[in-house]
Amino acid sequence: AQSVTQLGSHVSVSEGALVLLRCNYSSSVPPYLFWYVQYPNQGLQLLLKYTTGATLVKGINGFEAEFKKSETSFHLTKPSAHMSDAAEYFCAYHTGGFKTIFGAGTRLFVKA
Amino acid sequence: DAGVIQSPRHEVTEMGQEVTLRCKPISGHNSLFWYRQTMMRGLELLIYFNNNVPIDDSGMPEDRFSAKMPNASFSTLKIQPSEPRDSAVYFCASTPGQYTDTQYFGPGTRLTVL
Repeated sequence: AQSVTQLGSHVSVSEGALVLLRCNYSSSVPPYLFWYVQYPNQGLQLLLKYTTGATLVKGINGFEAEFKKSETSFHLTKPSAHMSDAAEYFCAYHTGGFKTIFGAGTRLFVKA
Repeated sequence: DAGVIQSPRHEVTEMGQEVTLRCKPISGHNSLFWYRQTMMRGLELLIYFNNNVPIDDSGMPEDRFSAKMPNASFSTLKIQPSEPRDSAVYFCASTPGQYTDTQYFGPGTRLTVL
């Protein structure tokens, strides 16, 4: 069955530290991959996406993610965390059909 | 563009009452999704419309839930009768096309059933 696994429901980093949020997918066909961010009391919004082409994708707010087919991964990184990055992050994918498969989410805490 | 609009933003009702949630998708988008988000179950897809036609409602929990999309600019999700376990945040999202990528989410409706 198609699925998305986000390792760690909570991640805590210090301000200025590297942010690494892990995502692995299970799909038998090439996927379209996404990271969405949800701030408190808001809907999800797109952070970045991979469809085809370059496997390193840059998004908003300094985030980037790399598609690694051999590892079936799409981890999200940011070199230096900011307090405003505190939010919940969702990895998602779809394989060309209508349905987007979302992961369970990872809540990022940023310590001053 | 105003984005996806949902109303009301908050709804508190008593068990057994009918609840109607409303969504206006982004103009020109032809796919619309209703999701439910809870701490226990995360983000669940309830139903998906394409060109105003329901394509897959397999995520609708039970017959108490129904959704309609009478035209391209309006959709409703109705719960009748409501139960406390329906308490959740309900999101509407729209996309430009069936095989598209980004989903544009509304701000959500926080439903509390007492």
